[in-house]
Amino acid sequence: GAVVSQHPSRVICKSGTSVKIECRSLDFQATTMFWYRQFPKQSLMLMATSNEGSKATYEQGVEKDKFLINHASLTLSTLTVTSAHPEDSSFYICSAHSGTEGRSEQFFGPGTRLTVL
Amino acid sequence: GDSVTQMEGPVTLSEEAFLTINCTYTATGYPSLFWYVQYPGEGLQLLLKATKADDKGSNKGFEATYRKETTSFHLEKGSVQVSDSAVYFCALSNQAGTALIFGKGTTLSVSS
Repeated sequence: GAVVSQHPSRVICKSGTSVKIECRSLDFQATTMFWYRQFPKQSLMLMATSNEGSKATYEQGVEKDKFLINHASLTLSTLTVTSAHPEDSSFYICSAHSGTEGRSEQFFGPGTRLTVL
Repeated sequence: GDSVTQMEGPVTLSEEAFLTINCTYTATGYPSLFWYVQYPGEGLQLLLKATKADDKGSNKGFEATYRKETTSFHLEKGSVQVSDSAVYFCALSNQAGTALIFGKGTTLSVSS
């Protein structure tokens, strides 16, 4: 199947700093990417839908000024957690949608573990 | 709103045991249903899917049948292996290209 990478896989930062997470589709073009957040022993919760060349669509309760999403190309979306605080510590997962004719599937990245001290 | 409920884990089995992980859903319309697997240290991988009622998805010995009358999509495998140890997520999508709605995940541990 298609490959989606995330970088970094793990990051530890101080409270108040910003952290950028990259999500790349390595062998296909993704017009749509999704950002999820996963708390321990809980399901993946959709944060936002990222469309190439347009503003991201955020889910209710997700602060768009805190979680900045940029989908600059068909293979790259970035999530920047601005002024991070300990409550932002979580596992962030992206997925990329491949919508080839007759086949539509989402491919997931391996996730990024963010720890804010 | 749409939701997915799957059985709480962890599920601990011996090798070659029969596996069932229950999944039920609430959705408007006719969603597509999925099972994803997450092996330790890796991303989610699609295990199987079904797009309409009575469809059976199958892969690697796992199977699940889309039951509209019971709004269920239970995952089964006749004989599990140690290598099946992972977290399994049931999910639905109401439209191709839209985000998935996930259950909480079920951890499966298989011992030899």
